[in-house]
Amino acid sequence: DSGVTQTPKHLITATGQRVTLRCSPRSGDLSVYWYQQSLDQGLQFLIQYYNGEERAKGNILERFSAQQFPDLHSELNLSSLELGDSALYFCASSRVGSDPYNEQFFGPGTRLTVL
Amino acid sequence: AQTVTQSQPEMSVQEAETVTLSCTYDTSESDYYLFWYKQPPSRQMILVIRQEAYKQQNATENRFSVNFQKAAKSFSLKISDSQLGDAAMYFCAHGGSQGNLIFGKGTKLSVKP
Repeated sequence: DSGVTQTPKHLITATGQRVTLRCSPRSGDLSVYWYQQSLDQGLQFLIQYYNGEERAKGNILERFSAQQFPDLHSELNLSSLELGDSALYFCASSRVGSDPYNEQFFGPGTRLTVL
Repeated sequence: AQTVTQSQPEMSVQEAETVTLSCTYDTSESDYYLFWYKQPPSRQMILVIRQEAYKQQNATENRFSVNFQKAAKSFSLKISDSQLGDAAMYFCAHGGSQGNLIFGKGTKLSVKP
């Protein structure tokens, strides 16, 4: 158990819908990262928050957004869902924000299926 | 931009034998870390080993060790005395100044009894 929690574990929805994925980082970790793992794209970095502020952006679609709340939990919002958004979404947390020595602890992931 | 390449989509090893997984990377950064993550069928991402780019000594964690060739931008993972529980997807990753990880496509390792 990494100490990072993600809810829900599984999510099944229809095209065009909007969903919210939730992540609680390990106690004391200020940074949260979101990654998408799909069959065709592999593991891709989406976005990072550090202590409530956006720190870095990766291959995140405009239909996707995220935020980190004062209690440091984070939510990833996916809207106008398409079939290709079906993937495993990971949240990871780390103690600091911009440091190459950045051991990230991964949550169990949320499996999103868009029908 | 950083890139990570794993050229072996699948590998197989006999139990108790040794196997090496390959990884090459490209980066413009001078200070970075490299990681190997394991993803078993449970899908949990587990850190196996990490290497600091400025350290010449190769990292070792029990049966896992790396061969880090900085000039060649190569970072291979050696698993000794392979066990059935080592069967998983293995991902090589680059961690740079931004903090986020850039992953390779992964290598699926099978262990034969």
